[in-house]
Amino acid sequence: DAGVIQSPRHEVTEMGQEVTLRCKPISGHNSLFWYRQTMMRGLELLIYFNNNVPIDDSGMPEDRFSAKMPNASFSTLKIQPSEPRDSAVYFCASSGQSSGTEAFFGQGTRLTVV
Amino acid sequence: GENVEQHPSTLSVQEGDSAVIKCTYSDSASNYFPWYKQELGKGPQLIIDIRSNVGEKKDQRIAVTLNKTAKHFSLHITETQPEDSAVYFCAARYSTLTFGKGTMLLVSP
Repeated sequence: DAGVIQSPRHEVTEMGQEVTLRCKPISGHNSLFWYRQTMMRGLELLIYFNNNVPIDDSGMPEDRFSAKMPNASFSTLKIQPSEPRDSAVYFCASSGQSSGTEAFFGQGTRLTVV
Repeated sequence: GENVEQHPSTLSVQEGDSAVIKCTYSDSASNYFPWYKQELGKGPQLIIDIRSNVGEKKDQRIAVTLNKTAKHFSLHITETQPEDSAVYFCAARYSTLTFGKGTMLLVSP
C-alpha cells in the first residue's frame, strides 16, 4: 500500500485566495483525520470522519475552513478565503477503526499564505 | 476533552545514553497510547504503542510504560544513536488522537 497520500506537498498562495488540500486515505480504513501543525500549537485535530461522515469538527477554527469526504477514498480540506495565519503544515491521517488502532499519517501539505 | 501534557520539550543526550520522555493525560476513557517520531519534512510515524490493558511494552531499544491509575505513560529509548534525533510525540486516544506538544531529541555523537 502506498500509505496516506496528500497533495500538493507545498502550496503558496496569496491572502484571500481559495486553497484546497487533498487526501487519499489507506484503502480499507474507515476513519480519516485532518490535523494542523504549527510551532506554537503543535498538532491540532481539525476534523474527524468515520465512514465518510463528519463526527467531530470542533477543531475547525472558523467558517473559512470546510472539509468533505465524498467517498471512502478521498477527502478535501478547503480554506476560503485564506489568511497568513493559516500558514502551517496540514496532515491527513487514516485508521482502521475509531479507537484503539494505529493512525497512519501522510507526508503533509506545507501551506504558506502571503 | 482530552488533554495531553508532554515533558521535556527538548532533550539532549550523548550517543549511547538513555532518553526518557514522559506524558500525562486527563481522560480516563482513553485506551490507546501511541508514540510517534517525526523527522524533518515528514509526517509523524508510529514507533510503538500500548493499550490500556498492558503496563509495559518493549521493541528492541524502545519501550513504553503505562500507569493508568496515575494517567501517565513514558517512552524509554536505550543506547541512543544519532539517527534517533527527531521530534517525538505522545498521544492518547479514545475516539480521536490528542497529541502532546512534542519533544525534540538531539543525540550527539
